[in-house]
Amino acid sequence: DSGVTQTPKHLITATGQRVTLRCSPRSGDLSVYWYQQSLDQGLQFLIQYYNGEERAKGNILERFSAQQFPDLHSELNLSSLELGDSALYFCASSPSGGSGQPQHFGDGTRLSIL
Amino acid sequence: DAKTTQPPSMDCAEGRAANLPCNHSTISGNEYVYWYRQIHSQGPQYIIHGLKNNETNEMASLIITEDRKSSTLILPHATLRDTAVYYCIVRPFSGSARQLTFGSGTQLTVLP
Repeated sequence: DSGVTQTPKHLITATGQRVTLRCSPRSGDLSVYWYQQSLDQGLQFLIQYYNGEERAKGNILERFSAQQFPDLHSELNLSSLELGDSALYFCASSPSGGSGQPQHFGDGTRLSIL
Repeated sequence: DAKTTQPPSMDCAEGRAANLPCNHSTISGNEYVYWYRQIHSQGPQYIIHGLKNNETNEMASLIITEDRKSSTLILPHATLRDTAVYYCIVRPFSGSARQLTFGSGTQLTVLP
């Protein structure tokens, strides 16, 4: 158990819809990262937040957005969903985001677009 | 970020040591070497990381060559539960973007 909690574990929805994925970091961790894993793209970094502020952006589509709340949990919002958005979405956390601190991953949310 | 090269697959007999190589010939002095593994579709699991010295923890040992251009992850007594994709990642310790950049990894299969 990494201590990172992601909900829901599975999500099935239709094209054009909007979903919200939730992540609770490990106790004491201030930095949250979101990753997407699809069959053809592998694990790709989407976005990082540190203590409520966006710190880094990766290959995140404009249809996707995220935020980190004062209690440090984070949400990833995916809108105007397309078939290609079907993937595993992982959240990871670390104490401060420094590179000497490993990121610990949750078990992910499996998103299926029908 | 520096890129890494890993063999796509390896087999290891149960109970034997699994030695997973990684080439990172373009690594710079301000980059760590990290190892993660992913069992089936579970979340990636942190194994170990190091800068230039060899490291050991309860899961594995990490041997980094003196020139830092390659490293080896050693699982001393592999079990069937160690079957997973193993990722070697280099990660800068300065700059704003310190995310993990995953490559294709090595599929390790532990055989009974």
